[in-house]
Amino acid sequence: EIVLTQSPGTLSLSPGERATLSCRASQSVSSSSLAWYQQKPGQAPRLLIYGASSRATGIPDRFSGSGSGTDFTLTISRLEPEDFAVYYCQQYGSSQLTFGGGTKVEIK
Amino acid sequence: EVQLVESGGGLVQPGGSLRLSCSASGFTFSNYAMYWVRQAPGKGLEYVSAISSNGGSTYYADSVKGRFTISRDNSKNTLYLQMSSLRAEDTAVYYCVKDSCSIGSCYYFVYWGQGTLVTVSS
Repeated sequence: EIVLTQSPGTLSLSPGERATLSCRASQSVSSSSLAWYQQKPGQAPRLLIYGASSRATGIPDRFSGSGSGTDFTLTISRLEPEDFAVYYCQQYGSSQLTFGGGTKVEIK
Repeated sequence: EVQLVESGGGLVQPGGSLRLSCSASGFTFSNYAMYWVRQAPGKGLEYVSAISSNGGSTYYADSVKGRFTISRDNSKNTLYLQMSSLRAEDTAVYYCVKDSCSIGSCYYFVYWGQGTLVTVSS
């Protein structure tokens, strides 16, 4: 099983600032098979990024994904009030899909 | 519009059983692999199980293997999760999730249900 470690656990930032979230895999994720999701309280997750860097339909371009192998990053260029939420990475390069533990982006 | 509506959650005693259902609409159900993903209260997401579009292949997380059974009825556009030998650590919101690709599988997820809460407690 590929273990995904997300850091930091909590990111305290102000609206307008840049957010950089990390997702590190315990072994290489094949074909950059990594996705990012956003989840707000009481809601289901929302797909942001797949294939490590492809934005899902309707996702604003302030969200971008990068990385390969074992190190991946989600960047939010300028935080909007609605971006404060928990973010999860997910790998789907192996038969056992796994999620990271999440990064909470909170208002400073 | 794609809709996934889960039902069947509730309170069950340790060692008990429960069957979750997910009614799907707004897409050709029989063309898509389907999944169950769960989230314990205040915790992260955990993949539980998957089933291929025709039901011929199933996959389980090690944590539920031998206790949970995923199935589907393509004539009723419904996904199921039969859960038995339930433990306190199975307490979670269970989400029904649709694969994003109709040919083969993508294994990432645009559409999720609203979730149904399963509580295992005496």
